[in-house]
Amino acid sequence: KAGVTQTPRYLIKTRGQQVTLSCSPISGHRSVSWYQQTPGQGLQFLFEYFSETQRNKGNFPGRFSGRQFSNSRSEMNVSTLELGDSALYLCASKLGQPQETQYFGPGTRLLVL
Amino acid sequence: QQQVKQSPQSLIVQKGGIPIINCAYENTAFDYFPWYQQFPGKGPALLIAIRPDVSEKKEGRFTISFNKSAKQFSLHIMDSQPGDSATYFCAASGAYNQGGKLIFGQGTELSVKP
Repeated sequence: KAGVTQTPRYLIKTRGQQVTLSCSPISGHRSVSWYQQTPGQGLQFLFEYFSETQRNKGNFPGRFSGRQFSNSRSEMNVSTLELGDSALYLCASKLGQPQETQYFGPGTRLLVL
Repeated sequence: QQQVKQSPQSLIVQKGGIPIINCAYENTAFDYFPWYQQFPGKGPALLIAIRPDVSEKKEGRFTISFNKSAKQFSLHIMDSQPGDSATYFCAASGAYNQGGKLIFGQGTELSVKP
């Protein structure tokens, strides 16, 4: 099976712009979670989608949003970008039950100038 | 209460040594504790995971020890190799949120010298 794929892999934006990142989960996986990874804050949970519904949400401002499509693919959007949004954004998928392994993609490296 | 505290921040061992990474948590609702390994430029990959009803789990050279009463768990890497040089993260999640929200420790950068 193909792993979790994320596009694009690298992105450069300027402050105030918005960005959309895409994640394709492993085939058959219905849960997709997003994480932000920075050197200072480490890996922080953004949100989880399951069957097109947001099931969990982290402590990020409303500028961060996401959605999931009927084929389980997910997108996250960040509006009004700030310098502090520069990070590696990771997507992880799993079948959908607790205590299952989350499989991570390679991430999208976002640089905000 | 949602935090997972991980130590040390960095670790240097000689080849063949046994690095030990420790994690502590507060939330007793956590019931799944995975360890992830991350190489530069890659996403984290699951190494091994444990549940609170088990005190120890081994997979190859990797062992998790779990102390439920102390709310602590640790990763031991036996016969460490230079290829084990990576960043290691402990994490925790609970069935109360369907396990979709992993709370990660701050990470330990391990360097294994030849």
